[in-house]
Amino acid sequence: RKEVEQDPGPFNVPEGATVAFNCTYSNSASQSFFWYRQDCRKEPKLLMSVYSSGNEDGRFTAQLNRASQYISLLIRDSKLSDSATYLCVVNIRRDNNNDMRFGAGTRLTVKP
Amino acid sequence: DAGITQSPRYKITETGRQVTLMCHQTWSHSYMFWYRQDLGHGLRLIYYSAAADITDKGEVPDGYVVSRSKTENFPLTLESATRSQTSVYFCASGPGQLDPQETQYFGPGTRLLVL
Repeated sequence: RKEVEQDPGPFNVPEGATVAFNCTYSNSASQSFFWYRQDCRKEPKLLMSVYSSGNEDGRFTAQLNRASQYISLLIRDSKLSDSATYLCVVNIRRDNNNDMRFGAGTRLTVKP
Repeated sequence: DAGITQSPRYKITETGRQVTLMCHQTWSHSYMFWYRQDLGHGLRLIYYSAAADITDKGEVPDGYVVSRSKTENFPLTLESATRSQTSVYFCASGPGQLDPQETQYFGPGTRLLVL
């Protein structure tokens, strides 16, 4: 079983739609969580950290459920520019170092 | 003020050849990382470095060698390239590892094809 699992998609949604991605992780010692965005043939870029209390950044909301070991990303009012692959990242602390494990990504296409 | 750069951006080589991928960062970050990204696997850590002259293995280190004689450079060498090393390679850097919320910043990637 992979340490971080995501539905690969693709998710094809119309502009203005709300879309949600889930990500599950297997290591209960995971300490911090992130969503990265990766555009086609580009490098991953940090979208947002995910905090235990949940957090929001504009149209993006991230949630963490430690009991069920999953995190989610909700995108409201989707824009064409949101089309990308979204990577779930889990940080497992080992020997006081950050060991970041990446999911394979969920691909989103927003259509006019 | 490029932040983190990689060279070459594209490379085609043959099985058995030695290849070195370069990574350079201008932030003076302590930590640097090499990942490979393959379809269906996500990013996998090859090697990382906590500081100059300190390196450690990641998840998939076999067939790779790294060095870090200067803080700003972290070259990755494939000593004898194999077809299974065809991939996209990303270098990343980060300011520290003490804070679990600390994240990493990625270079633009090197696309390597081994024939």
